[in-house]
Amino acid sequence: DTAVSQTPKYLVTQMGNDKSIKCEQNLGHDTMYWYKQDSKKFLKIMFSYNNKELIINETVPNRFSPKSPDKAHLNLHINSLELGDSAVYFCASSQEGVKTFGPGTRLTVT
Amino acid sequence: AQSVAQPEDQVNVAEGNPLTVKCTYSVSGNPYLFWYVQYPNRGLQFLLKYITGDNLVKGSYGFEAEFNKSQTSFHLKKPSALVSDSALYFCAVRDPYGGSQGNLIFGKGTKLSVKP
Repeated sequence: DTAVSQTPKYLVTQMGNDKSIKCEQNLGHDTMYWYKQDSKKFLKIMFSYNNKELIINETVPNRFSPKSPDKAHLNLHINSLELGDSAVYFCASSQEGVKTFGPGTRLTVT
Repeated sequence: AQSVAQPEDQVNVAEGNPLTVKCTYSVSGNPYLFWYVQYPNRGLQFLLKYITGDNLVKGSYGFEAEFNKSQTSFHLKKPSALVSDSALYFCAVRDPYGGSQGNLIFGKGTKLSVKP
């Protein structure tokens, strides 16, 4: 069983479009995250949700909006995509400080 | 500000030799330190953590890390490297101001290359 899953794995889209990435965890963790990994492999936290409530919202454009319908899901919606949004986006969940990461979604904006 | 530094972009090791991937940290209060590994086109996998206790922490796949408070370091080590250890390694520190759920601040990563 996949612990943290993301769909889609690859996403290629044009500038200006709106897209969503879905994340689900079956670990029963209360906290979920979105991270962005840029082309230089640098990882940065974007959002953190605990039991469906937003607890961390780093300085990301408000074109990015996380949505947590329940504590097992944390989806990421992105409006008006820009070239600079191209990156790999990782979902993660955590328990007792240890994070379990999803496989990543490679977003390419053309 | 809380931070971790991985001074080496890449570490090259011959198979069977010991390896060390370096990490230093800067954090207020007691550090919670982690190592993660990322294989190509995969998500990050947890290797080990230091919260408190013994300075030498043992983790997955034969890796260990030594916490050194005086040098503010948490270097990752393995006595005998395998070609399959080739991957990107991230050191991370828990952000004490990142909420009770412990957001992690990651280093920039070190690429480990183990040659046969």
